[in-house]
Amino acid sequence: DAGVIQSPRHEVTEMGQEVTLRCKPISGHNSLFWYRQTMMRGLELLIYFNNNVPIDDSGMPEDRFSAKMPNASFSTLKIQPSEPRDSAVYFCASSLQGALITEAFFGQGTRLTVV
Amino acid sequence: KNEVEQSPQNLTAQEGEFITINCSYSVGISALHWLQQHPGGGIVSLFMLSSGKKKHGRLIATINIQEKHSSLHITASHPRDSAVYICAVPSNTGNQFYFGTGTSLTVIP
Repeated sequence: DAGVIQSPRHEVTEMGQEVTLRCKPISGHNSLFWYRQTMMRGLELLIYFNNNVPIDDSGMPEDRFSAKMPNASFSTLKIQPSEPRDSAVYFCASSLQGALITEAFFGQGTRLTVV
Repeated sequence: KNEVEQSPQNLTAQEGEFITINCSYSVGISALHWLQQHPGGGIVSLFMLSSGKKKHGRLIATINIQEKHSSLHITASHPRDSAVYICAVPSNTGNQFYFGTGTSLTVIP
């Protein structure tokens, strides 16, 4: 397996534009996490899916952020409209079952810059 | 309130030195994870451990469940070990990981 695949690796966009980040988890993993990493706050959970269902979205900052997982092999994180404070590295991670007893595998991340 | 505390935040070592990074946590856990992140790079899982000690090459991770403390050791450090090392523990629900702030390691040739 190629691991968790994220795209794009880098995204530069203007404030107000819509941004869509994509993630393909490892085949067979039924848990998917979206994290945001900034210098100030480190890694923060945005949303957690289990079996394609959003279980915990308490970390989604506001209505501008939305995430979907239409099937077991694909998830998107959308920001509309984007703002400069959304600039960060966004990581997708997957695991066999949650975070309690199984290892999580991270994608390479998407570095988002909103100007 | 930080569920996970790491120390030191920054560490500079000479090549060949023995390195220790510490992690303390306040929640009850089933397993603790050590992660590595190179500058501008992705996050790689180094260890997942729930008791005792694990060893991969020059890396050794230990955990003391009673004291809620884990250490990551690097023997014979090398410049390619330069990275940020992050300790992570799962939440009680398993819905997320709590991460330490990371230890930025620089190994000088």
